[in-house]
Amino acid sequence: AQTVTQSQPEMSVQEAETVTLSCTYDTSESDYYLFWYKQPPSRQMILVIRQEAYKQQNATENRFSVNFQKAAKSFSLKISDSQLGDAAMYFCAYRGYNTDKLIFGTGTRLQVFP
Amino acid sequence: NAGVTQTPKFRVLKTGQSMTLLCAQDMNHEYMYWYRQDPGMGLRLIHYSVGEGTTAKGEVPDGYNVSRLKKQNFLLGLESAAPSQTSVYFCASNAPGQNTEAFFGQGTRLTVV
Repeated sequence: AQTVTQSQPEMSVQEAETVTLSCTYDTSESDYYLFWYKQPPSRQMILVIRQEAYKQQNATENRFSVNFQKAAKSFSLKISDSQLGDAAMYFCAYRGYNTDKLIFGTGTRLQVFP
Repeated sequence: NAGVTQTPKFRVLKTGQSMTLLCAQDMNHEYMYWYRQDPGMGLRLIHYSVGEGTTAKGEVPDGYNVSRLKKQNFLLGLESAAPSQTSVYFCASNAPGQNTEAFFGQGTRLTVV
């Protein structure tokens, strides 16, 4: 069975600085998809970024980028120029190529200080 | 733009009572999911459906039942609520295709006393 691990329950960053959230996963599949979701205090789940495992190029969405290391099964999220609105829970998620299920990690709570 | 709508948003149940959570999506998505979110445990999959009339068990299905009689609706039932089922429940849906984004409802906070 696939698993997703987020080893940092909480992280903090100063406004305008850069922070990296870690995520590792375990799978025997060769093709899969990885996602980072943001959950602000409103509880709404918001997709931040996605990565296809067959693509070597790391995905980027504005201030958000990932470091995808397929051999190491690592998928970290880097937030540059952090803003107060980035404060939220961040969840890493996995979905196999032949799987319909979206599997989540336990989440990292990010605090942003002015 | 309704997207995914969950009903109700909050509910308090007594132990042993039953209830049904309704999830409705207007995006014509084939796949629908029910998750529960507990502190320190992330989102855990309860049940899911890959199409009208089909359901499957997820990671934590015990104590829950589901039905997908209509494509746009996915119901989650608790036949005899227990305090361990106190949680925030999320419904999600997405279209077939491995790279598609899952859309989430706003969550239902359920307390069982």
